[in-house]
Amino acid sequence: GAGVSQTPSNKVTEKGKYVELRCDPISGHTALYWYRQSLGQGPEFLIYFQGTGAADDSGLPNDRFFAVRPEGSVSTLKIQRTERGDSAVYLCASSLGHGGNSPLHFGNGTRLTVT
Amino acid sequence: SQQGEEDPQALSIQEGENATMNCSYKTSINNLQWYRQNSGRGLVHLILIRSNEREKHSGRLRVTLDTSKKSSSLLITASRAADTASYFCATVSGYSTLTFGKGTMLLVSP
Repeated sequence: GAGVSQTPSNKVTEKGKYVELRCDPISGHTALYWYRQSLGQGPEFLIYFQGTGAADDSGLPNDRFFAVRPEGSVSTLKIQRTERGDSAVYLCASSLGHGGNSPLHFGNGTRLTVT
Repeated sequence: SQQGEEDPQALSIQEGENATMNCSYKTSINNLQWYRQNSGRGLVHLILIRSNEREKHSGRLRVTLDTSKKSSSLLITASRAADTASYFCATVSGYSTLTFGKGTMLLVSP
């Protein structure tokens, strides 16, 4: 079956612009995660959804970052007033149940470049 | 913040050799997971070991967990060029989400 799909695969934007990154999880997976990965680093947790609600958003760096999952499937990560420091690969993952006890299935990520 | 720390940061071996990567963490955990990442791709789950387990095997992979030392190791036996990737450990504490380390870059030369 289809894996986790992220679009776009690459996004270049100018400093100060607004961007939206989309994630289509594996069908039936109730848990969805957003991570951010900089070059040479491990993934850094941003936010975790269980169904439609954000169960843990403690990793969002500031109020410029927001994510939604209105119908419990597709999720959108929104970044306002982008800064050069936001440049990274944004990874989405989904799992059956809580990822603490279930493997995470990752998409290939969206590479965001802020110029 | 990143709880797990992999060691070494980079490892270069020949095909057929074994590769061992270590992970140390700071707080008590529910379980520990290992993932692989090929360049430009997402992470792929390899193995999950629970806090009450000491060793798990999956094909050529062997994972050990020592909760008293807060450490885990991943052994890849009879390595292949296709094993070239970055390997990450990730820990789960309480009801928290997975926290990843910085990873070990493994290069397997033919």
